[in-house]
Amino acid sequence: DTGVSQNPRHKITKRGQNVTFRCDPISEHNRLYWYRQTLGQGPEFLTYFQNEAQLEKSRLLSDRFSAERPKGSFSTLEIQRTEQGDSAMYLCASSVQGAGTEAFFGQGTRLTVV
Amino acid sequence: GENVEQHPSTLSVQEGDSAVIKCTYSDSASNYFPWYKQELGKGPQLIIDIRSNVGEKKDQRIAVTLNKTAKHFSLHITETQPEDSAVYFCAAMADSSASKIIFGSGTRLSIRP
Repeated sequence: DTGVSQNPRHKITKRGQNVTFRCDPISEHNRLYWYRQTLGQGPEFLTYFQNEAQLEKSRLLSDRFSAERPKGSFSTLEIQRTEQGDSAMYLCASSVQGAGTEAFFGQGTRLTVV
Repeated sequence: GENVEQHPSTLSVQEGDSAVIKCTYSDSASNYFPWYKQELGKGPQLIIDIRSNVGEKKDQRIAVTLNKTAKHFSLHITETQPEDSAVYFCAAMADSSASKIIFGSGTRLSIRP
């Protein structure tokens, strides 16, 4: 499978716990995006990497959220001290800069905070 | 920053009829407009896109139109089929060195048999 891969697909956690999600982009895609989607809404931009550099972060990304892409390949999104309001689908997308800007999304990680 | 508005939020059409979804954007620097289809429990899937140097693009039963002057773009689906039922999102992006895709709020399309 050469698409964007996200793990886990589902995560249920207790409020206050930390969670980490992983995204493996399409090989050779140097752009990687994280989005959050709540029920009935469009995806909301969280952050964006060009290779290993995190170039932009949304104001939605509070201090409890951190994202990394250490070697310019896979990325992780960590949420510390989860709150019920963090419950959402977390989507990862990747694209190639310059060779068209088509972004391909993974299946997402659905987080439920109880 | 960019703001994308999408209408309608829900749309029900008879199988075989056409469906039209409309979007507007605010940032004149936006030059790339993708459309995504999202089925339940899945990530958005790119179905068609258009760039600002083109006014219309067609791919089988799907077509997109772009009016840069008015900052409007639309998705047209002809001869709708049951498998077209899904949520559709328009989006806009300025293809600069550091840019993000901004999505509309989505249209839930239902095809009546």
